[in-house]
Amino acid sequence: GQQLNQSPQSMFIQEGEDVSMNCTSSSIFNTWLWYKQEPGEGPVLLIALYKAGELTSNGRLTAQFGITRKDSFLNISASIPSDVGIYFCAGQPDMDSNYQLIWGAGTKLIIKP
Amino acid sequence: DGGITQSPKYLFRKEGQNVTLSCEQNLNHDAMYWYRQDPGQGLRLIYYSQIVNDFQKGDIAEGYSVSREKKESFPLTVTSAQKNPTAFYLCASSLGLSLPQPQHFGDGTRLSIL
Repeated sequence: GQQLNQSPQSMFIQEGEDVSMNCTSSSIFNTWLWYKQEPGEGPVLLIALYKAGELTSNGRLTAQFGITRKDSFLNISASIPSDVGIYFCAGQPDMDSNYQLIWGAGTKLIIKP
Repeated sequence: DGGITQSPKYLFRKEGQNVTLSCEQNLNHDAMYWYRQDPGQGLRLIYYSQIVNDFQKGDIAEGYSVSREKKESFPLTVTSAQKNPTAFYLCASSLGLSLPQPQHFGDGTRLSIL
C-alpha cells in the first residue's frame, strides 16, 4: 500500500532548541494531519491542514501543507520537556475514494537532560 | 466529557483463545476504526466502519473480526487465527468518511500472550 516517509526517525535535542520534522509522499494528498502520542496513550491531534500552501500554528507548533501537495512539515519552537513523545504525520490521498488515512512511522522526540 | 473509551487497558490471551476489545464513543461520530501499533512503527488499519451494520477490511484484517450493531460501539475480536496478536490496539472515530475528517483516538488496549 501507499506509504509516507517521515523523517527523522528520532531526534535528541536540548531544551529550548527548535525542532523540525517532515513527511513526504510519492502521490498527491488532499489532507495532512499531525498527531502526538505519549507512552501508553492514543495519538492526539495537533494540527490539521486542508489546502496546499496552508500554514497553521498551534501555540509553539507550526505546520505547513506543501505547495506540491506531496509533503508537510511540523516545527516546534523553543522545545520544553513535555514535548517528548512520538509525532506522527497522516495524510489522505487525493484520489482515495475510501478516504483512509496513510500514516508515517513517527518521529521520536527525546530531550537531553 | 465527550470521547472514546477503550477497555480493558491491558489484556492477556491464552493460546487458542478469542478475546474482544471494547470501544465506545459518545461523540456522535459515524465512522469508527481499529488500528494495530507495533513498537517503533506507525499505525496499521485493521477494520473500519462508515455506518451502523457496515464495516470494511483494512490492510491487516486477517485473524480479526468486528461488529457495528450500534453507532457508539465498535468491538474488535482477536481470534485464535491471529498468530502474533501482541500489540497496542487503538480505536478511533471521525465524523464521517464523506469528507476529509481528523480521527480522534482512545487510549488503547495493550494485548499480550500468556
